[in-house]
Amino acid sequence: DADVTQTPRNRITKTGKRIMLECSQTKGHDRMYWYRQDPGLGLRLIYYSFDVKDINKGEISDGYSVSRQAQAKFSLSLESAIPNQTALYFCATSDVQGATDTQYFGPGTRLTVL
Amino acid sequence: EDQVTQSPEALRLQEGESSSLNCSYTVSGLRGLFWYRQDPGKGPEFLFTLYSAGEEKEKERLKATLTKKESFLHITAPKPEDSATYLCAVQAMGGGGSYIPTFGRGTSLIVHP
Repeated sequence: DADVTQTPRNRITKTGKRIMLECSQTKGHDRMYWYRQDPGLGLRLIYYSFDVKDINKGEISDGYSVSRQAQAKFSLSLESAIPNQTALYFCATSDVQGATDTQYFGPGTRLTVL
Repeated sequence: EDQVTQSPEALRLQEGESSSLNCSYTVSGLRGLFWYRQDPGKGPEFLFTLYSAGEEKEKERLKATLTKKESFLHITAPKPEDSATYLCAVQAMGGGGSYIPTFGRGTSLIVHP
């Protein structure tokens, strides 16, 4: 079974709709992240959480919100989806091992906003 | 501001043709440099972490090296299954947001049989 799972894997929605993307992990890691990936732009950080009570904005948080329901669950919401939010979304987890955090990524959610 | 630049953006090789991918970085104190492999439509998969200049790590046909300004991912005698996008990321010293790895845009590698 995958350590980091994302649901749904694919979603097509319309402008103005509210969308929630969910992430669950069984790795027991405290740190969780949401990224979006666009062709030619690489991975960009939306939000991150170092524990259940800690939520922080990343470089492109406008138009997004998150909820850390438990150590294992981190959800990303688009309150009113717009077409330029069409992208591949990844959840990741990490745990400090020695000097660094190694991130482990989920399989991704492909979101299309019409 | 931490910066990570990967080159080339795309690379096409014949099977067995060895080459290298480059990751140049600017960071105020390197905590670690990461290499990931990403297959189309999938999440990045961790390959290596390098901590200090002079360090090298190997895995099958891949070898990663690190200097104070850049890292190379050497691919020896590649096979078609090595085709993927390779991502580099750096993690800086310090706490809070500076602790989050900064990713490069990746190098797309295609190996032809």
